Amino acid sequence: ETGVTQSPTHLIKTRGQQVTLRCSSQSGHNTVSWYQQALGQGPQFIFQYYREEENGRGNFPPRFSGLQFPNYSSELNVNALELDDSALYLCASSQTGLGFGYTFGSGTRLTVV
Amino acid sequence: AQKVTQAQTEISVVEKEDVTLDCVYETRDTTYYLFWYKQPPSGELVFLIRRNSFDEQNEISGRYSWNFQKSTSSFNFTITASQVVDSAVYFCALSELPNSGGSNYKLTFGKGTLLTVNP
Repeated sequence: ETGVTQSPTHLIKTRGQQVTLRCSSQSGHNTVSWYQQALGQGPQFIFQYYREEENGRGNFPPRFSGLQFPNYSSELNVNALELDDSALYLCASSQTGLGFGYTFGSGTRLTVV
Repeated sequence: AQKVTQAQTEISVVEKEDVTLDCVYETRDTTYYLFWYKQPPSGELVFLIRRNSFDEQNEISGRYSWNFQKSTSSFNFTITASQVVDSAVYFCALSELPNSGGSNYKLTFGKGTLLTVNP
């Protein structure tokens, strides 16, 4: 059983640019959630995707958007990058109905300069 | 709004000492789940335990134990006979009830406690 894989592991972008982060969910999981973890903080919920639609969103502006594909993999897109977007972005997959069996990936470390 | 407080930012112990990580939560939900995760330097969040709001039994798993007290809204985590490999950031988290449609919960995390176990 493969876990959650995220790519790339590290990324450096310039303020104002756009970035796409990718996540392959664990086999058998149909729900993907994205979290932002700033340095020294706990992860903050960005949004969740289920059946290829956004299904719940945290306190993040619309320039944070996502996609879920038929194979349950997902992308997180961030437009007009700001310095405060520098963080570890974590993807978590789960199977609906199994009660919160979240599996997290190792994350993508995004640095905005 | 839900909230999780981990008042201990950093804890440093010597190997073989016991250590307790505190977690206090706030929620208006009557049904909820509490979690502990471990985050080593690699960044991945490693699941340790899940506890639902109706199950106040303490749990022990090897050197790990958890004390859930609904009356004080606390879910504390104790490591007995700590080891250097226990060094990591530990997060307590609280789930919210799902939206209609049966999707999974989102998690609200505390700020974490950095545990350093020195040899």
